[in-house]
Amino acid sequence: ETGVTQTPRHLVMGMTNKKSLKCEQHLGHNAMYWYKQSAKKPLELMFVYNFKEQTENNSVPSRFSPECPNSSHLFLHLHTLQPEDSALYLCASSQIAEGEETQYFGPGTRLLVL
Amino acid sequence: AQSVTQLGSHVSVSEGALVLLRCNYSSSVPPYLFWYVQYPNQGLQLLLKYTSAATLVKGINGFEAEFKKSETSFHLTKPSAHMSDAAEYFCAVSTGFQKLVFGTGTRLLVSP
Repeated sequence: ETGVTQTPRHLVMGMTNKKSLKCEQHLGHNAMYWYKQSAKKPLELMFVYNFKEQTENNSVPSRFSPECPNSSHLFLHLHTLQPEDSALYLCASSQIAEGEETQYFGPGTRLLVL
Repeated sequence: AQSVTQLGSHVSVSEGALVLLRCNYSSSVPPYLFWYVQYPNQGLQLLLKYTSAATLVKGINGFEAEFKKSETSFHLTKPSAHMSDAAEYFCAVSTGFQKLVFGTGTRLLVSP
């Protein structure tokens, strides 16, 4: 595997379900990100992790719970979601640096909440 | 705070025609600028980036962009469109510290 991978690619869940999204980066980076991409809206940054530590939570509802066990893996645990949470969830990684940091994205998980 | 404006949510060109996708940014400090492409059902792929070296930046798939500080622009061009270029294109600005601000995207449609 190369780059940033995400599983599953598609997920359908009911509002009472619990599921998890997984992201793995094979780039040796030390920062990972979750973004939400909804139709007609700019990408929204949800969470940032540096060296496994959460450094940003962009006012995300508690029904989204991130976990970063190491610098290569990132999870997003989902529970009691709402239909408006249906979106493409993108994971990204970067190497923390002074100045320019390029973020590399995975293919995303398309989530549908019924 | 930084922001990005992409003029035109949709741009249509014929195969072989010039592609021009517009991006204007706002930043209080020298920015880093990026163009990403998103094909259907895919994530974002980096096309090119400006990091204060050469103002004309060449990317993958024949795309290039020119940083114009006086116009606060970073427009994306390709001399000759190909059917495979049909996708959504996102301009993004950063001033470091892991903050990447995206525009709302421009969907490029290529007709035969």
